[in-house]
Amino acid sequence: AQSVSQHNHHVILSEAASLELGCNYSYGGTVNLFWYVQYPGQHLQLLLKYFSGDPLVKGIKGFEAEFIKSKFSFNLRKPSVQWSDTAEYFCAVIEYGNKLVFGAGTILRVKS
Amino acid sequence: NAGVTQTPKFQVLKTGQSMTLQCAQDMNHEYMSWYRQDPGMGLRLIHYSVGAGITDQGEVPNGYNVSRSTTEDFPLRLLSAAPSQTSVYFCASSPGQGAAGYTFGSGTRLTVV
Repeated sequence: AQSVSQHNHHVILSEAASLELGCNYSYGGTVNLFWYVQYPGQHLQLLLKYFSGDPLVKGIKGFEAEFIKSKFSFNLRKPSVQWSDTAEYFCAVIEYGNKLVFGAGTILRVKS
Repeated sequence: NAGVTQTPKFQVLKTGQSMTLQCAQDMNHEYMSWYRQDPGMGLRLIHYSVGAGITDQGEVPNGYNVSRSTTEDFPLRLLSAAPSQTSVYFCASSPGQGAAGYTFGSGTRLTVV
């Protein structure tokens, strides 16, 4: 079964700093990859997804992610974070049977 | 469209009580799943369904039952609540193509005392 590793559990940044959150999945082949965001007290919302084509995927709110097949990675980036980006971010992969497997999450706190 | 609707939003149970968490979707999605979210552990799959009448276990199924009598509804039953089941529970649905991903409900925060 697939597993997902997120490298940092807590990240603290100042406003306008650049963000990169790491995500690795366990094995290759055709993969569908996702980043979800959970703002405090809210449910999960889809930030972006990759299923084929251009490995650089752009999502909502200025986020992007790069799929690197050789590294089994799907890192999330944002050039300049805002206080409103404070949230928990989850990387996820679809595995056999259309089951969605999540990483442990990264809590991002942006200091204003 | 309402999307995925979960009820209740909050619940407190005593150890040993039973209850059902409700989940309904109005998008005609074939796939539905139940997850629990615990700090530092992400979301873990409890049970899932690939269509009406078909369910299967996920990563952490013990202490939970599900059924899928209709496409729309996918209730999660706690048979005899334990403090270890204190968690936030999310229901999600998908049309079935991997790239479509899942849409999540707003969650149920359950406390077992």
